[in-house]
Amino acid sequence: DAKTTQPPSMDCAEGRAANLPCNHSTISGNEYVYWYRQIHSQGPQYIIHGLKNNETNEMASLIITEDRKSSTLILPHATLRDTAVYYCISHTNTGNQFYFGTGTSLTVIP
Amino acid sequence: GAVVSQHPSWVICKSGTSVKIECRSLDFQATTMFWYRQFPKQSLMLMATSNEGSKATYEQGVEKDKFLINHASLTLSTLTVTSAHPEDSSFYICSANFPGSYEQYFGPGTRLTVT
Repeated sequence: DAKTTQPPSMDCAEGRAANLPCNHSTISGNEYVYWYRQIHSQGPQYIIHGLKNNETNEMASLIITEDRKSSTLILPHATLRDTAVYYCISHTNTGNQFYFGTGTSLTVIP
Repeated sequence: GAVVSQHPSWVICKSGTSVKIECRSLDFQATTMFWYRQFPKQSLMLMATSNEGSKATYEQGVEKDKFLINHASLTLSTLTVTSAHPEDSSFYICSANFPGSYEQYFGPGTRLTVT
């Protein structure tokens, strides 16, 4: 699976949109982009995934650039409960192992 | 939604003893489960892939004789840390794929402290 790079930390004001970037410049054509988050001392929680089209669900939106070398996870109205470490993972959906990078620690500020 | 549970949620054991951690898929059958380890302020590290009815596949650098994995049924995988030492103290997390889905569901984790 391709390596991803993310900023180590970000802050976001409560109620504002949180935009979390991810670079996956070596992603191959059959690799999806997945986003998970981990709240302190809990197991990771699935957020969203996509291949090349933008995706939206009840939690977030995923914007993937046309060349697929980067993506952005958008939490439209961040709340204090969104404070967590967010992981961007590229994954082929074969074998199903996930290899986690270092993630972005998002702090939502009141 | 699909739920993965772990037991115990935390455990303290003495150095040299063995401890077993259970991972269960509560409302679905999982032919494959995964075990991760996470040290404080670090990311999750994949330890092994647990396959129902066959031997587990371990990641490079993970001692298979120290971390025994048994996947005896479609809803249960166990990780046994043998002859535990303080450096084995960590947060152990399991996960499983819901059949027909790309999503991987994670358990709540087990905090192991070896004294």
